Amino acid sequence: DIQMTQSPSTLSASVGDRVTITCRASQTISAWLAWYQQKPGKAPKLLIYKASSLESGVPSRFSGSGSGTEFTLTISSLQPDDFATYYCQQYNSYWAFGQGTKVEIK
Amino acid sequence: QLQLQESGPGLVKPSETLSLTCTVSGGSISSSSYYWGWIRQPPGKGLEWIGSIFYSGSTYYNPSLKSRVTISVDTSKNQFSLKLSSVTAADTAVYYCARRGLDYPFDYWGQGTLVTVSS
Repeated sequence: DIQMTQSPSTLSASVGDRVTITCRASQTISAWLAWYQQKPGKAPKLLIYKASSLESGVPSRFSGSGSGTEFTLTISSLQPDDFATYYCQQYNSYWAFGQGTKVEIK
Repeated sequence: QLQLQESGPGLVKPSETLSLTCTVSGGSISSSSYYWGWIRQPPGKGLEWIGSIFYSGSTYYNPSLKSRVTISVDTSKNQFSLKLSSVTAADTAVYYCARRGLDYPFDYWGQGTLVTVSS
């Protein structure tokens, strides 16, 4: 099984900050990685697919990069609506999620 | 606009079988371009993929749950279903149904339904 590890688990930031979240796979997954945003009581929302492709309708301040085993999600300028929990997910072999990164207000 | 809606009992007794149905509207479950899946999230915890099904009936299950999971599809009703047997308190979670493309992650999700395992 492929394990996904995100860091950090919690991130405190202010509006306007540049935020980076890291996701590591236990084995290579090429670019078969997605990023989701989840707010309390809501279903996850797809932000990024194939490691760096922006889902339609997602603001351009979100970007993804990486391939193989190391990936990052970057929010270029954090907005009030961005305080949420973010999950990575590999879809190279079955489907597995990281444990999540909560972005909270500093 | 595609919509998915989970339905089923919100309370299940330990050792019994959890049964949920996902009704798809605004699109056909028989499309050859998509898989349909179940994902769960225990309260305050992360997401866990349970399994996926193609309209033809081909299934893929999380190896950690495979012995207890059955996912089926009813194309005439535009629905797919989840059965999880021998449940324990550890199976208490919000259960989501979702759609994904052939080489694409889950892009449409239901709102989720909380299932509590308790006597």
